[in-house]
Amino acid sequence: EIVLTQSPATLSLSPGERATLSCRASQSVSSHLDWHQQKPGQAPRLLIYSASNRATGIPARFSGSGSGTDFTLTISSLEPEDFAVYYCQQRRNWPLTFGGGTKVEIK
Amino acid sequence: EVHLLESGGGLVQPGGSLRLSCTASGFTFNNYAMYWGRQAPGKGLEWVSGIIDGSDTTHYADSVKGRFTISRDNSKSTLYLHMNSLRAEDTAVYYCAKGGEYCSGGSCSNFDYWGQGTLVTVSS
Repeated sequence: EIVLTQSPATLSLSPGERATLSCRASQSVSSHLDWHQQKPGQAPRLLIYSASNRATGIPARFSGSGSGTDFTLTISSLEPEDFAVYYCQQRRNWPLTFGGGTKVEIK
Repeated sequence: EVHLLESGGGLVQPGGSLRLSCTASGFTFNNYAMYWGRQAPGKGLEWVSGIIDGSDTTHYADSVKGRFTISRDNSKSTLYLHMNSLRAEDTAVYYCAKGGEYCSGGSCSNFDYWGQGTLVTVSS
């Protein structure tokens, strides 16, 4: 099973600041990694697929990078609606696995 | 617009059974892989099961293998999760999800759209 480790667990930032979230895989997943956002009390939403591609309707302030074992989700300038939990997810191998999540909270 | 509506959750005793349903609309159901994921209270996301389009190939997490069965009725655009021998640790919000919207390098995304979820509580 591929283990995904996200860091930091919590990121405390102010609106307008840049957020950088990390996801590390226990073995290479090539670019088969997606990012999901979940707001409190809501279902998750796909943000980024294949490491660096924005899903339909996702604002340009969200970007993803990386390949192999190290990945980054960047939010260039935090909007109030971006404070949420973010999960990475790999689809290189079965079983599909998620990282433990990074909570982006208001400082 | 893609819409996924889960139903069938509730309170069940340990060892009991439950069947979840997910009614889909807004896309050609039989053309896409479908998945179940879950989230225990206060915890992160966990993949549970998936069923691939057309071929009906299925996959399961080790934690549910042999107890849960995923199936689909393409004529009703409905996905199911049959859950047997339920345990306290199966308590979670269960989400269905549509996959296959974004494909590259021989791999397609799994959770393009998520439903709102249905709560399953396993307790005596």
